[in-house]
Amino acid sequence: NAGVMQNPRHLVRRRGQEARLRCSPMKGHSHVYWYRQLPEEGLKFMVYLQKENIIDESGMPKERFSAEFPKEGPSILRIQQVVRGDSAAYFCASSRGSGGEKLFFGSGTQLSVL
Amino acid sequence: DQQVKQNSPSLSVQEGRISILNCDYTNSMFDYFLWYKKYPAEGPTFLISISSIKDKNEDGRFTVFLNKSAKHLSLHIVPSQPGDSAVYFCAATSTARGADGLTFGKGTHLIIQP
Repeated sequence: NAGVMQNPRHLVRRRGQEARLRCSPMKGHSHVYWYRQLPEEGLKFMVYLQKENIIDESGMPKERFSAEFPKEGPSILRIQQVVRGDSAAYFCASSRGSGGEKLFFGSGTQLSVL
Repeated sequence: DQQVKQNSPSLSVQEGRISILNCDYTNSMFDYFLWYKKYPAEGPTFLISISSIKDKNEDGRFTVFLNKSAKHLSLHIVPSQPGDSAVYFCAATSTARGADGLTFGKGTHLIIQP
């Protein structure tokens, strides 16, 4: 399967724990985007990364959230000290280039905070 | 500040009829528009797109119309089939900005009635 791979599919955390969401882009894609979908809401842009660089993090909450896309390995979205309001579906997407490229999405990680 | 609006949360259409999904945008910098389809527990998948230099793009049963002066686009599906039942997201981007993700609407849940 050469599509965008996200894991885990479901992640359950207690308040105050850390959540790590992983995303491997499609083969040949070097641009990664993270989106969050809250219940009854659309997809909200969080962050856009290229290898080893954060290009745009304007949609990322200023505290507790961080993202990286290292030279080797998947992109990681990290949420520290999770709260109930972080419960959502987190989608990763990748593209070959930037600026008008269509995005290919993974199946998402459903984060549930107890 | 919602730059891409889908004002109908849901739409019910009889099988075989035409489905028309609407989308409005406010950002005049947007020049590339996309429609994504999403099934439950899956990531969005790309359906069709249109550049602002066109006013219509057709792909099989799917046609997207763009009215730049009204900042409005619509997706037509004809004839509608049961497998079309899904949430449809309208998305937009500015290719001039280059390093951007897509801005999504909240989605319209299309239900095809047998």
